[in-house]
Amino acid sequence: GAGVSQSPSNKVTEKGKDVELRCDPISGHTALYWYRQSLGQGLEFLIYFQGNSAPDKSGLPSDRFSAERTGGSVSTLTIQRTQQEDSAVYLCASSPRRDGEQYFGPGTRLTVT
Amino acid sequence: AQSVTQLGSHVSVSEGALVLLRCNYSSSVPPYLFWYVQYPNQGLQLLLKYTSAATLVKGINGFEAEFKKSETSFHLTKPSAHMSDAAEYFCAVGGTGTASKLTFGTGTRLQVTL
Repeated sequence: GAGVSQSPSNKVTEKGKDVELRCDPISGHTALYWYRQSLGQGLEFLIYFQGNSAPDKSGLPSDRFSAERTGGSVSTLTIQRTQQEDSAVYLCASSPRRDGEQYFGPGTRLTVT
Repeated sequence: AQSVTQLGSHVSVSEGALVLLRCNYSSSVPPYLFWYVQYPNQGLQLLLKYTSAATLVKGINGFEAEFKKSETSFHLTKPSAHMSDAAEYFCAVGGTGTASKLTFGTGTRLQVTL
């Protein structure tokens, strides 16, 4: 079956611009996570959605970062006024339940110039 | 808070040799532990997971890991390395209850030589 998909696979943007990254989770998975992978910081948790509960935003690095999940399915991570330190690979994962294993997408490589 | 420490950022083994990648965890509650593998320019693939059932966990591609509470360890092993095992390996803790998010180690890059 289809796995987690993310788009775009690569995004180059100028400093100060806004970007939107999209994640399509595996159908039926109730939990969705965003992580960031960068050379300096490794793999970091950003935000977690579970069903209709309020998201866990504890990993978002600044108020320039936000995310939403519409209809319990697709999620969009938005970064406003991008900075060079936002350059990283943004990974999305979904899980069939809150305590289940997480299945990762291929990631979006963001480069801020 | 939960955390994991992976000892050795780079490990090199010969093809056919034993693979041992080390992971130690810190958790105030019984942990869920995971090993993921990442091939170049790809996402993370789950190798195996420990969720408080059997302490010896078998995963895909011939890998296994043993949960040792007394040593707070969850080392990953494979009896015989193959060239296709060359990748980066991440140990992670979490995935349970309010700690559903995963906390990852810094990763170990495995090189397999002829």
